[in-house]
Amino acid sequence: ILNVEQSPQSLHVQEGDSTNFTCSFPSSNFYALHWYRWETAKSPEALFVMTLNGDEKKKGRISATLNTKEGYSYLYIKGSQPEDSATYLCAFMGYNNNDMRFGAGTRLTVKP
Amino acid sequence: DVKVTQSSRYLVKRTGEKVFLECVQDMDHENMFWYRQDPGLGLRLIYFSYDVKMKEKGDIPEGYSVSREKKERFSLILESASTNQTSMYLCASSFRGAGELFFGEGSRLTVL
Repeated sequence: ILNVEQSPQSLHVQEGDSTNFTCSFPSSNFYALHWYRWETAKSPEALFVMTLNGDEKKKGRISATLNTKEGYSYLYIKGSQPEDSATYLCAFMGYNNNDMRFGAGTRLTVKP
Repeated sequence: DVKVTQSSRYLVKRTGEKVFLECVQDMDHENMFWYRQDPGLGLRLIYFSYDVKMKEKGDIPEGYSVSREKKERFSLILESASTNQTSMYLCASSFRGAGELFFGEGSRLTVL
């Protein structure tokens, strides 16, 4: 079983705070790392697909970095808003596999 | 827009019943996946398929089987439902390679 670990498990922040989460994954056999946002009563939606060591992706106030050599990715949210409240999932794909393995997620709650 | 449709949003079944969960995607994706989601455990991969009639076991295949007779349809079968299979089941699809996953809305199964 491939271990994809996310931390923290949950996070409560005030509106306007900036925050970040970590995803760690096997550093060997890397092919891709995905980040998804999963809002309550909706389906998970992709935020970023990252494939190259040193990749940095940005979408509005959300950005992500990737270090494949040490096996981690960070997701940053600048100036959190209540609508950012969701579970953030990362998923790892190995080079010799076709499957995607998910971490348990970080549940973010942003208080107004 | 990519659409992944799961046949039932909510099901209630009795122990020992055979259960079919259907998933259909309309984007000609090669890969299809079945996950289950339980509190604190994130998305755990049950089975995936990278082509018609091809299937691979994920992390928790016990008690499940799958069928992919057509490219657009991936079925999850519980031969004899048990109470520990009460869960949210999510289907997803993607193009071959590192492409993002597109998820269905989920099927919440309760086994009594």
